[in-house]
Amino acid sequence: RKEVEQDPGPFNVPEGATVAFNCTYSNSASQSFFWYRQDCRKEPKLLMSVYSSGNEDGRFTAQLNRASQYISLLIRDSKLSDSATYLCVVNDGNFNKFYFGSGTKLNVKP
Amino acid sequence: DADVTQTPRNRITKTGKRIMLECSQTKGHDRMYWYRQDPGLGLRLIYYSFDVKDINKGEISDGYSVSRQAQAKFSLSLESAIPNQTALYFCATSASSWDTQYFGPGTRLTVL
Repeated sequence: RKEVEQDPGPFNVPEGATVAFNCTYSNSASQSFFWYRQDCRKEPKLLMSVYSSGNEDGRFTAQLNRASQYISLLIRDSKLSDSATYLCVVNDGNFNKFYFGSGTKLNVKP
Repeated sequence: DADVTQTPRNRITKTGKRIMLECSQTKGHDRMYWYRQDPGLGLRLIYYSFDVKDINKGEISDGYSVSRQAQAKFSLSLESAIPNQTALYFCATSASSWDTQYFGPGTRLTVL
Protein backbone atom coordinates (compact mmCIF):
# COMPACT_ATOMS: atom_id res chain seq x y z
CA ARG A 1 0.00 0.00 0.00
CA LYS A 2 1.32 3.43 -0.89
CA GLU A 3 1.98 5.87 1.93
CA VAL A 4 0.05 8.61 0.16
CA GLU A 5 -2.57 8.14 -2.55
CA GLN A 6 -4.18 10.67 -4.86
CA ASP A 7 -6.55 10.50 -7.80
CA PRO A 8 -4.30 11.31 -10.79
CA GLY A 9 -7.11 13.05 -12.68
CA PRO A 10 -7.06 14.97 -14.88
CA PHE A 11 -9.75 17.22 -13.53
CA ASN A 12 -10.96 19.38 -16.42
CA VAL A 13 -12.97 22.36 -15.17
CA PRO A 14 -14.13 25.69 -16.63
CA GLU A 15 -12.85 28.99 -15.32
CA GLY A 16 -14.76 30.07 -12.24
CA ALA A 17 -15.56 26.53 -11.14
CA THR A 18 -14.95 25.10 -7.70
CA VAL A 19 -12.89 21.93 -7.59
CA ALA A 20 -11.81 19.67 -4.75
CA PHE A 21 -9.08 17.08 -4.41
CA ASN A 22 -8.63 14.47 -1.73
CA CYS A 23 -5.54 12.62 -0.62
CA THR A 24 -5.40 9.63 1.72
CA TYR A 25 -2.42 8.65 3.88
CA SER A 26 -1.65 5.36 5.56
CA ASN A 27 0.46 6.32 8.60
CA SER A 28 -1.75 7.38 11.50
CA ALA A 29 1.33 8.83 13.24
CA SER A 30 1.89 11.44 10.52
CA GLN A 31 1.94 14.95 11.93
CA SER A 32 2.73 17.33 9.08
CA PHE A 33 0.69 17.75 5.93
CA PHE A 34 1.19 19.94 2.90
CA TRP A 35 -0.14 20.69 -0.55
CA TYR A 36 2.43 21.52 -3.20
CA ARG A 37 1.89 22.74 -6.72
CA GLN A 38 4.03 21.53 -9.60
CA ASP A 39 4.00 23.02 -13.07
CA CYS A 40 5.11 20.88 -15.99
CA ARG A 41 8.81 19.99 -15.75
CA LYS A 42 9.30 22.43 -12.86
CA GLU A 43 10.10 21.96 -9.20
CA PRO A 44 7.31 21.52 -6.65
CA LYS A 45 6.45 24.63 -4.70
CA LEU A 46 4.57 24.88 -1.44
CA LEU A 47 0.94 25.88 -1.90
CA MET A 48 -0.09 25.59 1.72
CA SER A 49 0.42 23.67 4.91
CA VAL A 50 -2.57 21.80 6.30
CA TYR A 51 -3.42 22.37 9.94
CA SER A 52 -5.69 20.33 12.17
CA SER A 53 -8.22 23.14 12.33
CA GLY A 54 -8.19 23.64 8.59
CA ASN A 55 -6.85 26.71 6.90
CA GLU A 56 -7.67 29.07 4.09
CA ASP A 57 -5.52 31.18 1.83
CA GLY A 58 -7.53 33.27 -0.57
CA ARG A 59 -9.31 30.93 -2.95
CA PHE A 60 -7.67 27.85 -1.47
CA THR A 61 -8.91 25.89 1.53
CA ALA A 62 -7.21 22.86 3.05
CA GLN A 63 -8.77 20.45 5.51
CA LEU A 64 -7.42 17.53 7.55
CA ASN A 65 -9.52 14.57 8.66
CA ARG A 66 -7.40 12.49 11.03
CA ALA A 67 -10.12 9.93 11.76
CA SER A 68 -10.39 8.99 8.10
CA GLN A 69 -6.76 9.83 7.32
CA TYR A 70 -7.26 12.17 4.44
CA ILE A 71 -6.56 15.75 3.54
CA SER A 72 -8.42 17.85 1.03
CA LEU A 73 -7.81 20.90 -1.09
CA LEU A 74 -10.65 23.11 -2.32
CA ILE A 75 -10.07 25.68 -5.04
CA ARG A 76 -12.78 28.26 -5.58
CA ASP A 77 -13.24 30.49 -8.63
CA SER A 78 -10.65 28.55 -10.65
CA LYS A 79 -8.28 30.56 -12.84
CA LEU A 80 -6.45 29.45 -15.96
CA SER A 81 -3.25 29.90 -13.97
CA ASP A 82 -4.37 27.23 -11.49
CA SER A 83 -3.70 24.58 -14.14
CA ALA A 84 -0.96 22.41 -12.65
CA THR A 85 -0.38 19.17 -10.79
CA TYR A 86 -1.16 19.27 -7.08
CA LEU A 87 0.95 17.07 -4.81
CA CYS A 88 -0.09 15.88 -1.38
CA VAL A 89 2.83 15.54 1.05
CA VAL A 90 2.83 13.83 4.44
CA ASN A 91 5.65 13.31 6.92
CA ASP A 92 6.49 9.87 8.26
CA GLY A 93 5.49 10.48 11.87
CA ASN A 94 9.09 10.28 13.07
CA PHE A 95 9.88 13.69 11.59
CA ASN A 96 12.53 12.17 9.39
CA LYS A 97 11.18 12.25 5.89
CA PHE A 98 8.27 13.12 3.67
CA TYR A 99 6.08 11.03 1.42
CA PHE A 100 4.68 12.47 -1.78
CA GLY A 101 1.54 11.49 -3.58
CA SER A 102 1.82 11.03 -7.32
CA GLY A 103 -0.21 14.18 -7.88
CA THR A 104 -3.58 15.26 -9.22
CA LYS A 105 -3.59 17.09 -12.52
CA LEU A 106 -5.91 20.08 -12.90
CA ASN A 107 -6.75 21.67 -16.25
CA VAL A 108 -8.75 24.90 -16.09
CA LYS A 109 -10.36 25.72 -19.43
CA PRO A 110 -11.52 29.11 -20.73
CA ASP B 1 19.82 34.19 -6.88
CA ALA B 2 17.93 30.96 -6.29
CA ASP B 3 18.01 29.51 -2.78
CA VAL B 4 18.59 25.95 -4.03
CA THR B 5 20.62 25.32 -7.15
CA GLN B 6 21.35 22.14 -9.03
CA THR B 7 23.96 21.34 -11.64
CA PRO B 8 23.79 20.21 -14.33
CA ARG B 9 20.24 21.02 -15.39
CA ASN B 10 20.27 18.45 -18.17
CA ARG B 11 22.56 15.52 -18.81
CA ILE B 12 22.64 12.74 -21.35
CA THR B 13 25.01 9.90 -20.64
CA LYS B 14 25.67 6.29 -21.56
CA THR B 15 25.16 3.09 -19.63
CA GLY B 16 28.04 2.38 -17.26
CA LYS B 17 29.23 5.96 -16.90
CA ARG B 18 29.72 7.61 -13.51
CA ILE B 19 27.59 10.69 -12.99
CA MET B 20 27.51 13.26 -10.23
CA LEU B 21 24.65 15.64 -9.63
CA GLU B 22 25.33 18.60 -7.37
CA CYS B 23 23.10 20.63 -5.10
CA SER B 24 23.85 23.83 -3.21
CA GLN B 25 21.64 25.86 -0.92
CA THR B 26 21.84 29.27 0.68
CA LYS B 27 18.94 28.85 3.10
CA GLY B 28 21.12 27.68 5.98
CA HIS B 29 19.07 24.51 6.43
CA ASP B 30 20.58 21.40 7.97
CA ARG B 31 18.28 18.96 6.22
CA MET B 32 18.83 18.08 2.59
CA TYR B 33 17.14 15.49 0.38
CA TRP B 34 17.51 13.87 -3.01
CA TYR B 35 14.41 12.68 -4.89
CA ARG B 36 13.72 11.24 -8.29
CA GLN B 37 10.50 11.77 -10.16
CA ASP B 38 9.13 9.39 -12.76
CA PRO B 39 5.85 9.86 -14.64
CA GLY B 40 2.92 8.54 -12.60
CA LEU B 41 5.07 7.67 -9.59
CA GLY B 42 5.48 10.98 -7.85
CA LEU B 43 8.66 11.88 -5.99
CA ARG B 44 10.58 9.07 -4.35
CA LEU B 45 13.26 9.64 -1.75
CA ILE B 46 16.76 8.44 -2.60
CA TYR B 47 18.85 9.77 0.32
CA TYR B 48 18.49 12.37 3.03
CA SER B 49 20.88 14.09 5.39
CA PHE B 50 20.30 15.91 8.66
CA ASP B 51 23.82 17.29 8.87
CA VAL B 52 27.28 16.65 7.44
CA LYS B 53 27.76 13.50 9.52
CA ASP B 54 24.23 12.15 9.30
CA ILE B 55 23.26 10.52 6.01
CA ASN B 56 20.38 8.11 5.58
CA LYS B 57 19.01 5.90 2.85
CA GLY B 58 15.60 6.57 1.44
CA GLU B 59 13.17 4.29 -0.38
CA ILE B 60 15.27 3.74 -3.49
CA SER B 61 18.97 4.13 -2.62
CA ASP B 62 20.27 1.13 -4.57
CA GLY B 63 22.58 2.26 -7.36
CA TYR B 64 23.11 5.69 -5.81
CA SER B 65 25.52 7.23 -3.32
CA VAL B 66 25.73 10.67 -1.76
CA SER B 67 28.21 13.02 -0.21
CA ARG B 68 27.49 15.91 2.15
CA GLN B 69 30.55 18.06 1.68
CA ALA B 70 29.28 20.94 3.79
CA GLN B 71 26.03 22.15 5.28
CA ALA B 72 25.28 23.85 1.98
CA LYS B 73 26.28 21.08 -0.43
CA PHE B 74 24.83 17.64 -1.06
CA SER B 75 25.90 15.59 -4.09
CA LEU B 76 24.29 12.52 -5.62
CA SER B 77 26.36 10.00 -7.58
CA LEU B 78 25.41 7.22 -9.93
CA GLU B 79 28.46 4.98 -9.91
CA SER B 80 27.47 3.06 -13.03
CA ALA B 81 24.44 4.58 -14.70
CA ILE B 82 21.73 2.34 -16.17
CA PRO B 83 18.78 3.27 -18.41
CA ASN B 84 16.13 2.86 -15.69
CA GLN B 85 17.84 5.70 -13.80
CA THR B 86 16.56 8.04 -16.48
CA ALA B 87 14.41 10.49 -14.51
CA LEU B 88 14.02 14.01 -13.19
CA TYR B 89 16.11 14.47 -10.05
CA PHE B 90 15.31 17.07 -7.40
CA CYS B 91 17.29 18.27 -4.44
CA ALA B 92 15.40 19.83 -1.52
CA THR B 93 16.13 21.42 1.84
CA SER B 94 14.13 22.02 4.96
CA ALA B 95 14.68 23.45 8.41
CA SER B 96 12.79 20.54 10.00
CA SER B 97 10.14 17.94 9.22
CA TRP B 98 7.52 20.41 10.41
CA ASP B 99 8.54 22.89 7.78
CA THR B 100 8.15 23.13 4.07
CA GLN B 101 10.75 21.79 1.72
CA TYR B 102 12.40 24.06 -0.81
CA PHE B 103 13.28 22.43 -4.09
CA GLY B 104 15.97 23.05 -6.62
CA PRO B 105 15.01 23.40 -10.30
CA GLY B 106 15.78 19.75 -11.04
CA THR B 107 18.23 17.81 -13.19
CA ARG B 108 16.87 15.93 -16.17
CA LEU B 109 19.05 12.83 -16.60
CA THR B 110 18.88 10.52 -19.58
CA VAL B 111 20.87 7.29 -19.59
CA LEU B 112 21.17 5.70 -23.02
